[in-house]
Amino acid sequence: EAQVTQNPRYLITVTGKKLTVTCSQNMNHEYMSWYRQDPGLGLRQIYYSMNVEVTDKGDVPEGYKVSRKEKRNFPLILESPSPNQTSLYFCASSLQGENYGYTFGSGTRLTVV
Amino acid sequence: AQSVSQHNHHVILSEAASLELGCNYSYGGTVNLFWYVQYPGQHLQLLLKYFSGDPLVKGIKGFEAEFIKSKFSFNLRKPSVQWSDTAEYFCAVSGGSYIPTFGRGTSLIVHP
Repeated sequence: EAQVTQNPRYLITVTGKKLTVTCSQNMNHEYMSWYRQDPGLGLRQIYYSMNVEVTDKGDVPEGYKVSRKEKRNFPLILESPSPNQTSLYFCASSLQGENYGYTFGSGTRLTVV
Repeated sequence: AQSVSQHNHHVILSEAASLELGCNYSYGGTVNLFWYVQYPGQHLQLLLKYFSGDPLVKGIKGFEAEFIKSKFSFNLRKPSVQWSDTAEYFCAVSGGSYIPTFGRGTSLIVHP
């Protein structure tokens, strides 16, 4: 089944403790993105990647890192999480140039205390 | 830079009422437009999309949207909503980079 898989689905952590949220897609998509969703603010893009080793900042990149060493994986790294990064995170992927729209993962609800 | 504005933040309707959700975008070139739906507790799913051709686009579950280039709009419509349409709806636009920008979303509640 074609899908975007995020792990974990839920995570509670403490301020300053490094964490990684994984994202993997099995559709051979070139484009991948990370979004955070907050009430009243909709979806805001954190980082995106247009292909392996090609990443760029979105609208709210501060406090986040990403890497794209393989086409299928696009992990989101919080080096030193803070409470204002408590949010619902979505990974998404799409096929380059076809613009069929994004396929979204199921989301990761992160709480930083 | 591209941007999207959704004017209705919260909409409450009774079943069988008609729905229209507004979406306006800002971008100087050719655009691709999308509506996504997020049911409670779930991830976003593509409802419909416009790339080119007929400006009236039909999507899943009886939804449709009309692209009006002169108004930079892509409003979502449904003639008769159901309780199961209760969800959050996001409009998105992508220009040359194919990386979409999302609106803030419209929360729709349909009372049975």
